[in-house]
Amino acid sequence: AQSVTQPDIHITVSEGASLELRCNYSYGATPYLFWYVQSPGQGLQLLLKYFSGDTLVQGIKGFEAEFKRSQSSFNLRKPSVHWSDAAEYFCAAGGGADGLTFGKGTHLIIQP
Amino acid sequence: DAMVIQNPRYQVTQFGKPVTLSCSQTLNHNVMYWYQQKSSQAPKLLFHYYDKDFNNEADTPDNFQSRRPNTSFCFLDIRSPGLGDAAMYLCATAQRGGLETQYFGPGTRLLVL
Repeated sequence: AQSVTQPDIHITVSEGASLELRCNYSYGATPYLFWYVQSPGQGLQLLLKYFSGDTLVQGIKGFEAEFKRSQSSFNLRKPSVHWSDAAEYFCAAGGGADGLTFGKGTHLIIQP
Repeated sequence: DAMVIQNPRYQVTQFGKPVTLSCSQTLNHNVMYWYQQKSSQAPKLLFHYYDKDFNNEADTPDNFQSRRPNTSFCFLDIRSPGLGDAAMYLCATAQRGGLETQYFGPGTRLLVL
């Protein structure tokens, strides 16, 4: 069965510190991979996506993610977080006419 | 700006009273999705339309139906809402054969009294 795992339910980071959110997937073949961010009571905003090619992808708001086939991972990173980055982050796999399979999300808390 | 619009943003209904949520898009995408997101959970796909073809997920309750009268609009009908149907309902669109990225609307939060 297809699945996406985000092992960290909550992560707390100090403002200005670096961030890495983990994501692992289990699929028959390499799926399309996405990271979305959701602020409270809002919809999902696409941060970045990986389809093929360069394994390091750049997204909006200074985020990047690295696809590692050998580890079935697609971790999200940011070198320096801002208080406005506090939100729920979802990793997802799939795409096209099929729906996305989401991880359970990681709640990011930013400490002053 | 091209976008996905959901109305209303908040909907209150009574137990067992039918309710309809709407979604419209200006992206001219051929696929439209409905997801259910319960509190502190990941979005879960209910069904999607590829053009006029309806695709239901196997575990979507019969209580949930959908209509897509044209490319721009898609509706989610809940025939007899129960307390367990209280959730955020997210609409998304994508272009099959294109970049395959799903774009989400802001969601409709449904409260069942």
